[in-house]
Amino acid sequence: ETGVTQTPRHLVMGMTNKKSLKCEQHLGHNAMYWYKQSAKKPLELMFVYNFKEQTENNSVPSRFSPECPNSSHLFLHLHTLQPEDSALYLCASSQGPQDTQYFGPGTRLTVL
Amino acid sequence: AQSVTQPDIHITVSEGASLELRCNYSYGATPYLFWYVQSPGQGLQLLLKYFSGDTLVQGIKGFEAEFKRSQSSFNLRKPSVHWSDAAEYFCAVGPSRQISNFGNEKLTFGTGTRLTIIP
Repeated sequence: ETGVTQTPRHLVMGMTNKKSLKCEQHLGHNAMYWYKQSAKKPLELMFVYNFKEQTENNSVPSRFSPECPNSSHLFLHLHTLQPEDSALYLCASSQGPQDTQYFGPGTRLTVL
Repeated sequence: AQSVTQPDIHITVSEGASLELRCNYSYGATPYLFWYVQSPGQGLQLLLKYFSGDTLVQGIKGFEAEFKRSQSSFNLRKPSVHWSDAAEYFCAVGPSRQISNFGNEKLTFGTGTRLTIIP
């Protein structure tokens, strides 16, 4: 099994929809991350969780709501998104917040 | 605040030629440095990292990088590229353990360099 998996790989949603992105890591790590990757922009860190506790919220709009029920799973709940939220959303995990991060394949999100 | 600059947005090299991708960083103390590669439609894969010690770091797929503190650089090199190396390459900087506080750890990424290989 691969280290970090993300589902779905592609998602198209309307501005009024509610959807969730899922990330699962099989590496025994304690820290998990959500990043947003938009065209021609650096990766933007959105949220950091360590031992299920949120340690970073990088001024992300409330229409993005993370959830970390345990150290292996991370969700990103989406509601009333805007077209500019269309991007590749990447999940990563690391042993601890200071350790090397390993990335999943990402979810390509398109908001219509 | 830390920052990373990758001055080359797009580089094209011939298969078999040597490659150097530039990365300059700004950071107030000894950083952790990383190179990641992203193939189309894929996530980021770690190529190599520098934490301390030998400033010439060997990575996967035949890549290496050299940390030059005096130049604030961490350039990625490969002596002979293969068509499969075509991808986007990202340099990143993070705080070292010695000065990092819990909850403040952040990887800062450059904007990436897209590598095209021509036959």
